[in-house]
Amino acid sequence: EAQVTQNPRYLITVTGKKLTVTCSQNMNHEYMSWYRQDPGLGLRQIYYSMNVEVTDKGDVPEGYKVSRKEKRNFPLILESPSPNQTSLYFCASSSGQGYQETQYFGPGTRLLVL
Amino acid sequence: QKEVEQDPGPLSVPEGAIVSLNCTYSNSAFQYFMWYRQYSRKGPELLMYTYSSGNKEDGRFTAQVDKSSKYISLFIRDSQPSDSATYLCAMRAGSARQLTFGSGTQLTVLP
Repeated sequence: EAQVTQNPRYLITVTGKKLTVTCSQNMNHEYMSWYRQDPGLGLRQIYYSMNVEVTDKGDVPEGYKVSRKEKRNFPLILESPSPNQTSLYFCASSSGQGYQETQYFGPGTRLLVL
Repeated sequence: QKEVEQDPGPLSVPEGAIVSLNCTYSNSAFQYFMWYRQYSRKGPELLMYTYSSGNKEDGRFTAQVDKSSKYISLFIRDSQPSDSATYLCAMRAGSARQLTFGSGTQLTVLP
């Protein structure tokens, strides 16, 4: 089954404690990205990756890091989380070009930073 | 001003009604337009995908794009309670992979 998986699904942490949210896809997609979703703001892109070892900033990259060492994995790293990073996070992957592009989203990770 | 504006609702309609969801945008470079459906506690799933201006129909769903007005719509005919979800519009420029999303409209279809 084609899918994007994220772990953990729910996370409560404290300010400053480093954390990593993992993302994995089994569709051999080149493009992967991270979004955060906040009420009234919709989905905003944090980082994206066009391929292995190729990453770039999205609209709201401050406070986040990513890496893409393998095609299937794209972890999101919060080195020193702050309460304003409390949000719902989605990983996505996509294939194809132009009209054929289809983007798949993971189930989401709900993060609370105290 | 946001690049993509979407009425957040909530929108509540009776079963069988025709639903109209809309987004406006300001970036004339946007060429690909999408509608996603997001059920509670789930990730968004792609519903409709259109290129440039025109209409696209898929079952009970019709997507319309009017690039001259920078306005896109999603129509749902014969709405069902299972259509209750948040609907997000998204769009991107031709050469870019980055999507810009609207804030989403929460729809409830009452049985």
